[in-house]
Amino acid sequence: QLQLQESGPGLVKPSETLSLTCTVSGGSISSSSYYWAWIRQPPGKGLEWIGAMYYSGTTYYNPSLKRRAFISVDTSKNQFSLNLSSVTAADTAVYYCASWYNYGYGYFDNWGQGTLVTVSS
Amino acid sequence: DIQMTQSPSSLSASVGDRVTITCRASQSISSYLNWYQQKPGKAPKLLIYAASSLHTGVPSRFSGSGTWTDFTLTISNLQPEDSATYYCQQSYNTPRTFGPGTKVDVK
Repeated sequence: QLQLQESGPGLVKPSETLSLTCTVSGGSISSSSYYWAWIRQPPGKGLEWIGAMYYSGTTYYNPSLKRRAFISVDTSKNQFSLNLSSVTAADTAVYYCASWYNYGYGYFDNWGQGTLVTVSS
Repeated sequence: DIQMTQSPSSLSASVGDRVTITCRASQSISSYLNWYQQKPGKAPKLLIYAASSLHTGVPSRFSGSGTWTDFTLTISNLQPEDSATYYCQQSYNTPRTFGPGTKVDVK
């Protein structure tokens, strides 16, 4: 079973870039079975899909983020990362990385524990 | 984007009860519907995929049904550990979207 672990700063200033990394263990990030995704959850609210990337480079993003999100994969480290630019207080959330099983109907089957990122000066 | 709605937003039930949560998609999604359980301070966990398939290790008291736009999650013989928020999510297209959640309180 895959294990995923988020890491990165817990506090980011407004207008700056939020950067998080997800380390994958128990399997290869180059697996053809998975997309690698970021999902966030503002405090007390629901889940929002940010985007996902295939190891080959194919990427999908949520248009609601207005092209502020960028996801990359480092196959040598078995990691993938999220950069979210021009953050505001509205970007304060718990950020989860997750694996999207790509066959059949598709689903998020493994999640990191989540990391709270607060946007504040 | 496909909008997902859920009802009720919250419910309270007793141990041993049978509860049903409804999820509706704003357009037809065939059976591209997943259910997750989230407990406070924890990441969501996959319960049901493809509308009615039970994920590995999930107790059989959880079941899902539905197709096209209307779906249900049923918990039979409700247990104390089932207190959580339940989310539906469509996997028909991107952006992947989730329902607003249903909070289940076990009395």
